[in-house]
Amino acid sequence: KQEVTQIPAALSVPEGENLVLNCSFTDSAIYNLQWFRQDPGKGLTSLLLIQSSQREQTSGRLNASLDKSSGRSTLYIAASQPGDSATYLCAVKTGANNLFFGTGTRLTVIP
Amino acid sequence: NAGVTQTPKFQVLKTGQSMTLQCAQDMNHNSMYWYRQDPGMGLRLIYYSASEGTTDKGEVPNGYNVSRLNKREFSLRLESAAPSQTSVYFCASGTYTEAFFGQGTRLTVV
Repeated sequence: KQEVTQIPAALSVPEGENLVLNCSFTDSAIYNLQWFRQDPGKGLTSLLLIQSSQREQTSGRLNASLDKSSGRSTLYIAASQPGDSATYLCAVKTGANNLFFGTGTRLTVIP
Repeated sequence: NAGVTQTPKFQVLKTGQSMTLQCAQDMNHNSMYWYRQDPGMGLRLIYYSASEGTTDKGEVPNGYNVSRLNKREFSLRLESAAPSQTSVYFCASGTYTEAFFGQGTRLTVV
């Protein structure tokens, strides 16, 4: 069974810092990897999706990388802002019908 | 631009009561999913439906039933609620590539 781990579980940084969130998975036979953002009491918003054949994806201040062979992905957030405070989840897709989720990293950006 | 809509947003049930969580999507996706989210455990798949008329069990199906009424709607039923089913429930729909989530239903069973 695919296991997805996210480290750290929580992170506090001052505004303006660059930061990296980590995601690791045990089975490298993935179809894609998706990073989500979840605000308290809200649903999940998709941030970036990386296909298994890709190495990275970028959207604005966000950059996600994927090293499938080592079972790792990172989400890089540049010049963090208080509005970036949320829980960030990574999920891997291993077939047609399931996403395996990590437990998330709760990010707090301090003004 | 509704996307995935879940109702209700909040619900409190007594042990043994039944209820149905509703989900509808307007993106013409074939696949729909029900997940539950518990502290420290991430989201876990309860049931999924690859297309209208088909449903399959996910990782944690016990205590739940589902109905894929048509392409748009996928409901989750708790026949006899238990305190262990206290959770936040998310419906999602998607293509083979990407999933889109609703806002969630926070269910408390007392």
